Amino acid sequence: DAKTTQPNSMESNEEEPVHLPCNHSTISGTDYIHWYRQLPSQGPEYVIHGLTSNVNNRMASLAIAEDRKSSTLILHRATLRDAAVYYCILKRNSGYALNFGKGTSLLVTP
Amino acid sequence: ETGVTQTPRHLVMGMTNKKSLKCEQHLGHNAMYWYKQSAKKPLELMFVYSLEERVENNSVPSRFSPECPNSSHLFLHLHTLQPEDSALYLCASSQGEGSEQYFGPGTRLTVT
Repeated sequence: DAKTTQPNSMESNEEEPVHLPCNHSTISGTDYIHWYRQLPSQGPEYVIHGLTSNVNNRMASLAIAEDRKSSTLILHRATLRDAAVYYCILKRNSGYALNFGKGTSLLVTP
Repeated sequence: ETGVTQTPRHLVMGMTNKKSLKCEQHLGHNAMYWYKQSAKKPLELMFVYSLEERVENNSVPSRFSPECPNSSHLFLHLHTLQPEDSALYLCASSQGEGSEQYFGPGTRLTVT
C-alpha cells in the first residue's frame, strides 16, 4: 500500500486558515486521497476526499497537486473545535480498509 | 451524533471474563467494521462485514469473535483477554467499499 507522510503536529491561531500538508509520492492512479479527523475522546470523522481535482465541502477544501504526489487539507477559519488529529489516507475504491497512520495533531489557540 | 452507537462506552473486565461489545448503525449502510486503537498506535482494522458476511479478518486472535446478525448490528465477543488488549474499540459503517466510513464513539476496554 502506498504510504503518506504528515507532520506530527501543527499549531494555528483561531479564525485563521490552516493548511495541513500530506506527501504521498508513491500514490497509484487508482488511489483516492481521504482525510479524516479524530477529536479528543471521539471516533474518527470523515472530512473530505478526492482523486485528481480540488474538492470543497462545508468542512474543508482539498487541494491536490497536479502530479498527485502531495495534497493539502485547508480549513478556512480554524475554531477551537477543529483541534484534532488529522489523518491523510490513500484508499482504492475497491477494498474496505482505511490504513490510518499517526496523523497530524492540530492545536488551535485563541 | 454520527448515526453509529456503541455500548458500553467503558468496560473493565478480568482475564477470565466473557463480555460483548455492541454496535448499531442507523444509516442504512451495508458494511460494518471493527477497529482497535491502542495507546500511541495507529488505528488497526480488525474485521469487516459486508451484507452480514465477513469479508476481512486481519490476523486477529481468536479470543476476539465478531458477529453480524443483520446489516444494522455488529457485536464483538471477548473471552480470556490479555492486559495488552486494553484499548479503544471503534465500530464504523459505510455504504459499500469506496464510501466514507462513519465511526461510533468507541468502547474504552480495560483488561485487568
